[in-house]
Amino acid sequence: TQLLEQSPQFLSIQEGENLTVYCNSSSVFSSLQWYRQEPGEGPVLLVTVVTGGEVKKLKRLTFQFGDARKDSSLHITAAQPGDTGLYLCAGTDGSGNTGKLIFGQGTTLQVKP
Amino acid sequence: EAQVTQNPRYLITVTGKKLTVTCSQNMNHEYMSWYRQDPGLGLRQIYYSMNVEVTDKGDVPEGYKVSRKEKRNFPLILESPSPNQTSLYFCASSLWARGTGELFFGEGSRLTVL
Repeated sequence: TQLLEQSPQFLSIQEGENLTVYCNSSSVFSSLQWYRQEPGEGPVLLVTVVTGGEVKKLKRLTFQFGDARKDSSLHITAAQPGDTGLYLCAGTDGSGNTGKLIFGQGTTLQVKP
Repeated sequence: EAQVTQNPRYLITVTGKKLTVTCSQNMNHEYMSWYRQDPGLGLRQIYYSMNVEVTDKGDVPEGYKVSRKEKRNFPLILESPSPNQTSLYFCASSLWARGTGELFFGEGSRLTVL
């Protein structure tokens, strides 16, 4: 069974600080997605990374897919209270031939003003 | 408006009383899936469907059934609910049959089994 381990599980920081969330596995994934979820809502896609070593930027958020496609990171620069939420990584299996999508446990981020 | 609609949003029931959570999407998506979300465990896949009449087990299918008779609908059935099925349930859909594209989620259905 493929697993995705996210760390840290909880993060409470002050506005303006930088942070990094990690998503690690011993398995290879054909693609990896990052979602953000707010209370009372379903997750919303932030980004999909497909190529090993790929880096994508979304305003103050930088996403990286590991060279071996086994891990990913999300870096937020100068966090703002609006970044507060649950961040989830999700991967499709290495073959990409099944419909199974594996989610990490999530990282709860609280950004204090 | 493109959306995934789940009903009911909240439900309290008792052990053994069959229930169905409906899910409908209006985006003509091939792929649909059900997840349950529990604290510290993230989202765990229950069942998924890559096409009409095609369903497959996810990681935690025990105690659940699904059907995909129409492209837009993917109901989740709990034949005999038990307290360990108390959870927050999400239905999701994706354009790509293998679910490798963006997943669009419903707003969730919070189920309590007493």
